[in-house]
Amino acid sequence: AQTVTQSQPEMSVQEAETVTLSCTYDTSESDYYLFWYKQPPSRQMILVIRQEAYKQQNATENRFSVNFQKAAKSFSLKISDSQLGDAAMYFCAYRSPSGGSNYKLTFGKGTLLTVNP
Amino acid sequence: NAGVTQTPKFRILKIGQSMTLQCAQDMNHNYMYWYRQDPGMGLKLIYYSVGAGITDKGEVPNGYNVSRSTTEDFPLRLELAAPSQTSVYFCASGTTGKTEAFFGQGTRLTVV
Repeated sequence: AQTVTQSQPEMSVQEAETVTLSCTYDTSESDYYLFWYKQPPSRQMILVIRQEAYKQQNATENRFSVNFQKAAKSFSLKISDSQLGDAAMYFCAYRSPSGGSNYKLTFGKGTLLTVNP
Repeated sequence: NAGVTQTPKFRILKIGQSMTLQCAQDMNHNYMYWYRQDPGMGLKLIYYSVGAGITDKGEVPNGYNVSRSTTEDFPLRLELAAPSQTSVYFCASGTTGKTEAFFGQGTRLTVV
């Protein structure tokens, strides 16, 4: 079974600075999907960014980018120019590409990000 | 553009009571999921469904039941509520055509 590990329960960053959240995963599959979800105090789960394992290029969405190291099974999230609205719980998640019972998200335990003004 | 709709948003149950958490999606997704979120534990899969009439257990199914009679609806039933079921519950849906899952807004359930 796949596992996802987020080793940083909490992180803090100054407004306008850059912060990197870590995620590692364990899998025997060669093709898969990785995600970062954001959960603000409203509780809503919001997709931040996705990465397909077969793509070597790191995904980028505005101020959010990932460092995907397939051999190391590492998938970190970098937030540039941090804003107060970025304060939230961030979850790393893995999904197998195969269908049926494997087509589900496995989550890490989350990293709580605080943004200081 | 409703997406995934969960009801209720909040509920307090007494020990031993039963209830059904409702989940509906209007995106014609074949996959649907129920997760529970406990502080510091991430989201754990309770049950999932790969299509109407097909359901299967996830990591933490004990004390819950589900059914999937239509593509749109995936209710989660709690029988004989226990304090250990105090949690935030999320319903999600997805399809093989899209890689990510779409989430409802969650239900905060407290069992006292």
